[in-house]
Amino acid sequence: QSVLTQPPSLSGAPGQRVTISCTGSSSNIGAGYAVHWYQQLPRTAPKLLISDTDNRASGVPDRFSASRSGTSASLAITGLQPEDEADYYCQSYDSSLSNSWVFGGGTKLTVL
Amino acid sequence: QVHLQESGPGLVKPSQTLSLTCTVSGGSIDSADYYWSWIRQPPGKGLEWIGYIYHSGTTSYNPSLKSPVSISIDTSKNQFSLKVSSVTAADTAVYYCVRSGNGYMYGIENWGQGALVTVSS
Repeated sequence: QSVLTQPPSLSGAPGQRVTISCTGSSSNIGAGYAVHWYQQLPRTAPKLLISDTDNRASGVPDRFSASRSGTSASLAITGLQPEDEADYYCQSYDSSLSNSWVFGGGTKLTVL
Repeated sequence: QVHLQESGPGLVKPSQTLSLTCTVSGGSIDSADYYWSWIRQPPGKGLEWIGYIYHSGTTSYNPSLKSPVSISIDTSKNQFSLKVSSVTAADTAVYYCVRSGNGYMYGIENWGQGALVTVSS
């Protein structure tokens, strides 16, 4: 059971827009802690996409964007491309767990 | 460009101690600018933070972990290490060593390739 909740799977057609949600609580996202997003392609290590809610990592296209509101955050991907098919994880920190780093359970994105 | 590489046994028997080392190249581990962490991913499952160590030796661990863990650092060798005691099959995972900036606003920018450790007799 992950501290941050993500939908297990999502799908979209090429060119479409998809949004991946990340729901937390008042001790993590709701407390104002930064939220980071990672992309994990099959059989590779995760890669940082966006840090501190809306700062894209170097080389990440502007098709990727993120936002937050209250106890939730979301990652949006516009103009979906086949190479976007991957697992996506959100990450934050939790004051009720001694400021542990916490992850969402991951969302598998399928490009139809 | 910093590079992280995990090394250690790929097979550990139940109740024994899992030991992994991360060798850092392309940058000094003795820096106040970064945290050095271990993260694991059981086969087919999500990511779990194990803990981090700072260059001074200060550590923080995930209180949710069932097996006792410890992280140490050797600045002379530019390495940091992980020990997980009394392992069970639930500790079977790909273990990643990672580097992140000193502060909550920084995500994990640098990842090792990962090392699969299987706990089995």
